[in-house]
Amino acid sequence: ETGVTQTPRHLVMGMTNKKSLKCEQHLGHNAMYWYKQSAKKPLELMFVYSLEERVENNSVPSRFSPECPNSSHLFLHLHTLQPEDSALYLCASSQDNGIGGELFFGEGSRLTVL
Amino acid sequence: AQTVTQSQPEMSVQEAETVTLSCTYDTSESNYYLFWYKQPPSRQMILVIRQEAYKQQNATENRFSVNFQKAAKSFSLKISDSQLGDTAMYFCAFTAYSSNTGKLIFGQGTTLQVKP
Repeated sequence: ETGVTQTPRHLVMGMTNKKSLKCEQHLGHNAMYWYKQSAKKPLELMFVYSLEERVENNSVPSRFSPECPNSSHLFLHLHTLQPEDSALYLCASSQDNGIGGELFFGEGSRLTVL
Repeated sequence: AQTVTQSQPEMSVQEAETVTLSCTYDTSESNYYLFWYKQPPSRQMILVIRQEAYKQQNATENRFSVNFQKAAKSFSLKISDSQLGDTAMYFCAFTAYSSNTGKLIFGQGTTLQVKP
């Protein structure tokens, strides 16, 4: 596998469920990101991990819980979500914090909360 | 706070013609980068072109070029000789040198349809 892969590609969950989104990067990068993409809205940065340490939490509700066990893997744990959390969740990675550099994105996980 | 605005939600162009996508931004930073990303339908978002604010020369990548007007805080993307594969959503994005996390601020996106 190459690049940034996300699983699952599609997820439907009820408001009381607990699920997780997984992201894996095969590029040797040292920073990983979660973005939320909603229709007709700009992409919203949720979390940034650099060298496995969370360096930014963009005022995200606690029902979203990130985990970065190593530089290649990033998870987003979901629990007691709301219908307005339905969106495309994008994972990205970069090298050297990506300042001025390129972010490499996965194809996204399409989440629907019923 | 930095903001990025794309005022054209949807655009269309005939194959082989030229199209320009608009982007404006607001920042008090003097050193920053600007980007255009492309998101094809159901596919990964990829970088199209990047501009460093301190460079006066407009960036060019094959059929893609930008018109960077720093004083006006404008950063438009021109696609020449449009191809069917250019059909995608295009996002303008900004990051400041002062950001130590590579944080990108995105616009709302412009959906471009290239017609045969």
